[in-house]
Amino acid sequence: NAGVTQTPKFQVLKTGQSMTLQCAQDMNHNSMYWYRQDPGMGLRLIYYSASEGTTDKGEVPNGYNVSRLNKREFSLRLESAAPSQTSVYFCASSEGGFTSYNEQFFGPGTRLTVL
Amino acid sequence: DQQVKQNSPSLSVQEGRISILNCDYTNSMFDYFLWYKKYPAEGPTFLISISSIKDKNEDGRFTVFLNKSAKHLSLHIVPSQPGDSAVYFCAASSGGTSYGKLTFGQGTILTVHP
Repeated sequence: NAGVTQTPKFQVLKTGQSMTLQCAQDMNHNSMYWYRQDPGMGLRLIYYSASEGTTDKGEVPNGYNVSRLNKREFSLRLESAAPSQTSVYFCASSEGGFTSYNEQFFGPGTRLTVL
Repeated sequence: DQQVKQNSPSLSVQEGRISILNCDYTNSMFDYFLWYKKYPAEGPTFLISISSIKDKNEDGRFTVFLNKSAKHLSLHIVPSQPGDSAVYFCAASSGGTSYGKLTFGQGTILTVHP
């Protein structure tokens, strides 16, 4: 039982390049999330998917797109990377939907640097 | 506008003593609060939570206190152990249909010295 896995672990991009961060969970969770963590800012929600087939914007969605490919997988795409997107990206999942609190389980993170 | 604030970037305590981590919030719609713990190069892991209908919740060495009138919560770790050294994040949710949308504080680095 791997929990939440993220690929890649590290990535360096040049400004304007695109890339997709992959996330998968094997806990049969309904909800999945993408966060970014910046120094002094804590974790901020980028996008979330309350259930398979739905996605919604979080606090900082600009410059990102997401795809809930199936119940297990939730990807985050940067179409044209900018230095301001240099950050550590965390994917998380939780069991239920949005009508009661469920603990979120986090992946190990992807450290992205945009030059 | 930081709705959840952890004003102490770091805290250092001796092994066996109490660690107290603090968190303040401004949004009166928040009604569920959580603490997460994060080790370097790992994702955050859930530690303990509290609903706004309570003012205290205990789990082993960890106790969270909530003061709704002051919009303040704190995490007490007693006794502190070197393995508790990590970054601690408080987070809040406004419930309803938004339980999954967490707002995090900036984090406090706890160092427990042997």
